[in-house]
Amino acid sequence: AQSVTQLDSHVSVSEGTPVLLRCNYSSSYSPSLFWYVQHPNKGLQLLLKYTSAATLVKGINGFEAEFKKSETSFHLTKPSAHMSDAAEYFCVVSPFGYSSASKIIFGSGTRLSIRP
Amino acid sequence: NAGVTQTPKFQVLKTGQSMTLQCAQDMNHEYMSWYRQDPGMGLRLIHYSVGAGITDQGEVPNGYNVSRSTTEDFPLRLLSAAPSQTSVYFCASRSPGRARRPVSGANVLTFGAGSRLTVL
Repeated sequence: AQSVTQLDSHVSVSEGTPVLLRCNYSSSYSPSLFWYVQHPNKGLQLLLKYTSAATLVKGINGFEAEFKKSETSFHLTKPSAHMSDAAEYFCVVSPFGYSSASKIIFGSGTRLSIRP
Repeated sequence: NAGVTQTPKFQVLKTGQSMTLQCAQDMNHEYMSWYRQDPGMGLRLIHYSVGAGITDQGEVPNGYNVSRSTTEDFPLRLLSAAPSQTSVYFCASRSPGRARRPVSGANVLTFGAGSRLTVL
């Protein structure tokens, strides 16, 4: 069985400060892990993905995430927040490579707010 | 631009009315799916299709029907709308439809912009 838990429903940071969005997962398979971003009234856009290569994954807009198997975590970070980063972020887990639709599991989302 | 197109963007229905949410993609993706997004619940899979003529149920299929007569289109039908179906609906696609060997990025989805449905 698989599951994904986003530990914070809402994170608020000041512009220019670091961002940390936390995600823990459980999976019976070797997992693929993803972060998607959703800006207001928009669809979801892929931010980055982990598919069993390097454990530190770099994504778009300066975001990165580190896969830590021992901690079953895939936290999303950015060194310096920008106002345009304000959005909803989703952590997603699925079995590595195998495209089984029913096994793509979305977290409940973390809303990131940026204070001027 | 290539991608997933959903229509309408907004719709208000009365209880008991029927309607169809349209989804079209021009990337020749085999796999298409419908999700609903509700506050605090992430995205939940309604129905999906791994190719033309093939559909299957997801986590929350009740009250919804789908068909897949072409590779490009995957409409979602509400036969008798209920207030519990008030939600934002997303269509998503990817290639391949069904991988028999590990494929890097096999589960990367391309999403439409969403359809916001209100049932009164």
